[in-house]
This record gives sequence, C-alpha cells and structure tokens, in this order.
Amino acid sequence: QKEVEQDPGPLSVPEGAIVSLNCTYSNSAFQYFMWYRQYSRKGPELLMYTYSSGNKEDGRFTAQVDKSSKYISLFIRDSQPSDSATYLCAIMNSGNTPLVFGKGTRLSVIA
Amino acid sequence: EAGVVQSPRYKIIEKKQPVAFWCNPISGHNTLYWYRQNLGQGPELLIRYENEEAVDDSQLPKDRFSAERLKGVDSTLKIQPAELGDSAVYLCASTPAQSGAGETQYFGPGTRLLVL
Repeated sequence: QKEVEQDPGPLSVPEGAIVSLNCTYSNSAFQYFMWYRQYSRKGPELLMYTYSSGNKEDGRFTAQVDKSSKYISLFIRDSQPSDSATYLCAIMNSGNTPLVFGKGTRLSVIA
Repeated sequence: EAGVVQSPRYKIIEKKQPVAFWCNPISGHNTLYWYRQNLGQGPELLIRYENEEAVDDSQLPKDRFSAERLKGVDSTLKIQPAELGDSAVYLCASTPAQSGAGETQYFGPGTRLLVL
C-alpha cells in the first residue's frame, strides 16, 4: 500500500460546481498536510497547508483534515475554468522529512 | 523576485547518453530539492541539500545519478548513462533558510527528459 492514495481522475465538472478532491494516507505519524496545484508543463505551487485535524479556508478553497480516518480533502467552491489543473495532495511527518505526494487528480472545469 | 530557474526545459537524448540538469534556487533559500515526476504520478524526492550538504539522498539511484551543489547555491543533477525508464520531468524546489515543517517548497518549471 502506498503511503498516500489519491484518485487520479480525470474529473470534469461544469463551471460553478463544487469540487471535492480527496486523499487517504496510511501513516498516522504524518502531521502536515498540503495541497499543490500544477498547471500543464509547470511546477507544483502550494495552495493550502494545514496542521493536524480541522478545516482551513482560503477564498474559494477549503482544506479539511480528519486524522482519525487518515483522510484529507480539498473543496473548491464556484469552480472556474482557470481551476483546471492537476491537484496533488502532499503530506509530511516533520520539518526535516520529505514531502510524500499523491498521484494527483486532473480536474477540468468546463465553461 | 525571480522564482526557481531550471534549464534546459526540454531534453531529448538517446539511451546510454549522459545528461545534466541545472537549477538555480530562489535567492537566500538554503534548502534545495530535486524531484522526479513520472507521467501521471506525483513528484518523488531524489535528493535534498542543506547548503552544500546532501542531507537526504536515500532515493537517488547512485549507480547512474549524481548531484552536486558546490557553493550552496545552484545545483546540477546528472544521469550517466541514461535509460529509457529515466524519461520523466525533473523538478527542482527550494525553501528558505529555516526549513521547517510546513515551509513552502517553491518549485521550478522542471526539465522534461525523453530518452529514446
């Protein structure tokens, strides 16, 4: 079993839809949870970062962590065509350990 | 502020040939990472530098891969000889001096390698 599992999609939604992206992980020692967005032929860029369980909101984006279930989510409200990208979850144990990435979910928002 | 710079952006080589990738991190960022991203996969760490010291190279295939960061600034990743399975995007990332939990890793655009 991989440390981080993420459904690769692809996921196609109409503009304005609410998008839910999810990852599960296996190691309960992971403490830091991130979501990266990667446009085609670009490097990943950090969208959201959360520590421990709970929700974090930033504009149209909400990151949610449930450590008891080892489940992390990213919600995108009022999705826009510019949100079309690959979304990668990434988790980390501590500051000096490497990021472990999911496979990424390819999202297309259709106008 | 300039981002992480990588070159070349694309490289096509024949198998068994050598290839090198260059990365210049964001100014002042002491921690530098090299990742490999296979098609349809997330990035996987190859090596991490703190200044000029390689502090985590456990995932670097040392029989054919080498890396250096001589002056603790820019870095070079080399493959010799390249194999078909090395076709991937090679990403460089950097973080500020006090690398710690949750520090944003700033990624470059990557070098897309195709081995024929």
